[in-house]
Amino acid sequence: NAGVTQTPKFRVLKTGQSMTLLCAQDMNHEYMYWYRQDPGMGLRLIHYSVGEGTTAKGEVPDGYNVSRLKKQNFLLGLESAAPSQTSVYFCASSYGGTGVADTQYFGPGTRLTVL
Amino acid sequence: SQKIEQNSEALNIQEGKTATLTCNYTNYSPAYLQWYRQDPGRGPVFLLLIRENEKEKRKERLKVTFDTTLKQSLFHITASQPADSATYLCALDEGGYSTLTFGKGTMLLVSP
Repeated sequence: NAGVTQTPKFRVLKTGQSMTLLCAQDMNHEYMYWYRQDPGMGLRLIHYSVGEGTTAKGEVPDGYNVSRLKKQNFLLGLESAAPSQTSVYFCASSYGGTGVADTQYFGPGTRLTVL
Repeated sequence: SQKIEQNSEALNIQEGKTATLTCNYTNYSPAYLQWYRQDPGRGPVFLLLIRENEKEKRKERLKVTFDTTLKQSLFHITASQPADSATYLCALDEGGYSTLTFGKGTMLLVSP
């Protein structure tokens, strides 16, 4: 099993360009998450999904959009990249379910630089 | 406001000693508290989970305590090794439909 994979690993964008980050998991997890990690800020939740076809906003959703058309994939889009979006992006997945302890499995990260 | 606080300064210890990392929180009512390890350039990896009604949890050389009165969790690594050097993150889960909220992490450096 590959676990959680992320594409691409690195990317450099110019301000105003758009891109999509792809996350895939092969563990049949219901829940998926996108985080960004910045020095001194820790992991912050951007958007998440509790099942195919659903999405919800996290702590820092502005400037990002997401889609979960297939259970195993979760896409993060930047429509018009800004330098403030320079960060390392992590995708995670979990079994999901309310009232249960739910641990998350993380991908290797995508390092994005916006010039 | 809600806060999760972990030591921002790196913790330096010698091999063989016990490392103790702290996670304090305010204005949360976590149903669960989790600890993750993160190596440079990699994603976090789950280590241990402890429930609100549990005082202590162990796994091999790792031990986690959870004091909901003090609003604090302690993470211990006994007989530490240089391979334990990493950043350790605590994360709170308030249960229900809530998501995990992570602390900023503490870097542990174990020297031979």
